[in-house]
Amino acid sequence: DAGITQSPRHKVTETGTPVTLRCHQTENHRYMYWYRQDPGHGLRLIHYSYGVKDTDKGEVSDGYSVSRSKTEDFLLTLESATSSQTSVYFCAARRQDYTDTQYFGPGTRLTVL
Amino acid sequence: EDKVVQSPLSLVVHEGDTVTLNCSYEVTNFRSLLWYKQEKKAPTFLFMLTSSGIEKKSGRLSSILDKKELFSILNITATQTGDSAIYLCAAYGGSQGNLIFGKGTKLSVKP
Repeated sequence: DAGITQSPRHKVTETGTPVTLRCHQTENHRYMYWYRQDPGHGLRLIHYSYGVKDTDKGEVSDGYSVSRSKTEDFLLTLESATSSQTSVYFCAARRQDYTDTQYFGPGTRLTVL
Repeated sequence: EDKVVQSPLSLVVHEGDTVTLNCSYEVTNFRSLLWYKQEKKAPTFLFMLTSSGIEKKSGRLSSILDKKELFSILNITATQTGDSAIYLCAAYGGSQGNLIFGKGTKLSVKP
C-alpha cells in the first residue's frame, strides 16, 4: 500500500463549511497527488505537489487549495464546501522523477449536504 | 486536449471466459501506459508499459502496448469472480507530466 493513509475516511458536512482532508505517507515519496473520483468521470487530478511547499493545479482545482509543509503530509482544503464537491477523494504518491507509478491511499468519501 | 479512452465501459462475462480490455490514448509527451485494478477501494497497480510490443504478464493477466497505433490492451484469461472490478488505464504525459486516466472498464464475472 506504499504507506499512504488518509483521514478522515468518511465525512458528512454542510454547504458552506470548510473541510480539510489529510494524506500522510511514510516512505519519503517526493510527489503527492489529490484526485476526485465521480461516476462517469473517472479519476480527475485536483492538485499535486513535487516537493515541500511546491504545489500546482490539476484539471479540476477550482474551489480547492492544498498545502505541503512536510514531506509526509499533503492537505486538501475545501474553503467553502458545495454539493458539487461530494465525491470520493484519493491521495496518491510517486517516489521519484524516473518512476511513473503512483500508489493510492484508501480514499475519503465526502458528502456535502 | 490530452485524452485516454477505454472500451468497453462495462462488460459481463462468465467464469472461465477470456476478456480483452482496450485503451487508446492521445497524450502529448507520452512516456508510459499504466493499468490499475479497482475493487471497492483504492486503485491497485497492475502494469506499467513503456515499450511497444513487449508483453507484460502476471498470472492470468497480460498487457501490451502499441506506440505506433497509440493503444494498449489488457487480457485476462480464465476469468474468476475475483476479477470483477473496474480496470483503469492511465497515460503518463501531458503538459504537466502527470497521469491522465480513462473512465475505466467495469468488468463483472458471473459464476
